[in-house]
Amino acid sequence: GAVVSQHPSWVICKSGTSVKIECRSLDFQATTMFWYRQFPKQSLMLMATSNEGSKATYEQGVEKDKFLINHASLTLSTLTVTSAHPEDSSFYICSPGGTGKTYEQYFGPGTRLTVT
Amino acid sequence: QKEVEQDPGPLSVPEGAIVSLNCTYSNSAFQYFMWYRQYSRKGPELLMYTYSSGNKEDGRFTAQVDKSSKYISLFIRDSQPSDSATYLCAMRSGGSYIPTFGRGTSLIVHP
Repeated sequence: GAVVSQHPSWVICKSGTSVKIECRSLDFQATTMFWYRQFPKQSLMLMATSNEGSKATYEQGVEKDKFLINHASLTLSTLTVTSAHPEDSSFYICSPGGTGKTYEQYFGPGTRLTVT
Repeated sequence: QKEVEQDPGPLSVPEGAIVSLNCTYSNSAFQYFMWYRQYSRKGPELLMYTYSSGNKEDGRFTAQVDKSSKYISLFIRDSQPSDSATYLCAMRSGGSYIPTFGRGTSLIVHP
């Protein structure tokens, strides 16, 4: 399967600060990146889809000015949570697309964000 | 009604038991069906995928899809404590690369 890394794996920040999460596809070129959020004991919820070199498409209810996504290269995408609040505390997972296999979707190891 | 329904559990079984995990769905356009395993604080790992109806076996895992009933299952034979995790079903239509996920079922296999 595809090799995906995320950094950091766990971050604690104070309310009002911004946090950047990096997602790297290590062994293929990801033309598309999906960003998910997962609350405890809940399913994965798609936040946004980004294509390399273009603006991300956000799902309904997700604030694009709060969750900034940059997909500047085929191997790196970043999610920045701006002015974080405790309710933003969650598990954020990236999933690259463009692996050439239409049925397989791989996920990064996830980043746990805790906002105090 | 959610598009994909999955009992969150937890499901607790003794080591060696046969485990049955299930999902139901309402969207008849779904054609691709996946099962993911997610350990605590880790990203989901693809276990099985099937296209349309039928069965697929891989080692101790068997995935079944019954499109007429809109029902999918994952069976785990000879369950091990290392199988303890959350299992998520996911499915998508042929025209989309974005799957819809179930809530996940927490499985606990005790020695």
